[in-house]
Amino acid sequence: DVKVTQSSRYLVKRTGEKVFLECVQDMDHENMFWYRQDPGLGLRLIYFSYDVKMKEKGDIPEGYSVSREKKERFSLILESASTNQTSMYLCASRILGNTEAFFGQGTRLTVV
Amino acid sequence: GQSLEQPSEVTAVEGAIVQINCTYQTSGFYGLSWYQQHDGGAPTFLSYNALDGLEETGRFSSFLSRSDSYGYLLLQELQMKDSASYFCAVRSSNYGGSQGNLIFGKGTKLSVKP
Repeated sequence: DVKVTQSSRYLVKRTGEKVFLECVQDMDHENMFWYRQDPGLGLRLIYFSYDVKMKEKGDIPEGYSVSREKKERFSLILESASTNQTSMYLCASRILGNTEAFFGQGTRLTVV
Repeated sequence: GQSLEQPSEVTAVEGAIVQINCTYQTSGFYGLSWYQQHDGGAPTFLSYNALDGLEETGRFSSFLSRSDSYGYLLLQELQMKDSASYFCAVRSSNYGGSQGNLIFGKGTKLSVKP
């Protein structure tokens, strides 16, 4: 079974903190994605990556950055957390050119 | 830009049939996917249509009309466990060149009543 693991299920951080959300997949997938999910807004793409060290902005990249130093790991970084970044964050991975994406269980981040 | 429209909520009874529609606007369209998400869970893949027509997988079917930029998910013989949110998603080349990307709609919350 494909496994996408996010490092934390719940996280509480203070405004202004630098926050790291980690995602690891065990199936050698080239594509990895970060989404945030908010009620009534669906899943919105923050960043994605084709391969190691490759990254592209999605629809809402402001306030976020990413890092992909190894194929299996895709990190989302909140440079200076703000309360409007309180959300559920979902990581996904997919084989290059394939149609099915596999999601992690999500990290519910609260910024206070 | 890209946009996907789907109803926000649908209610149906056990044993019934329900259709969830999705209209989309995007360039470089590759195909339309459907995902299911139970409360507190991760989205899971249901189906993918790249060509016009109906794809059937058990009680679930998905349809695509590329000329109409429209698709739907059909759920038959509804069960209580089908209560979940359903998302349509387009794979397009707006982002990511030829590899395509995955952009989601806002989701349809399906409630199945006894």
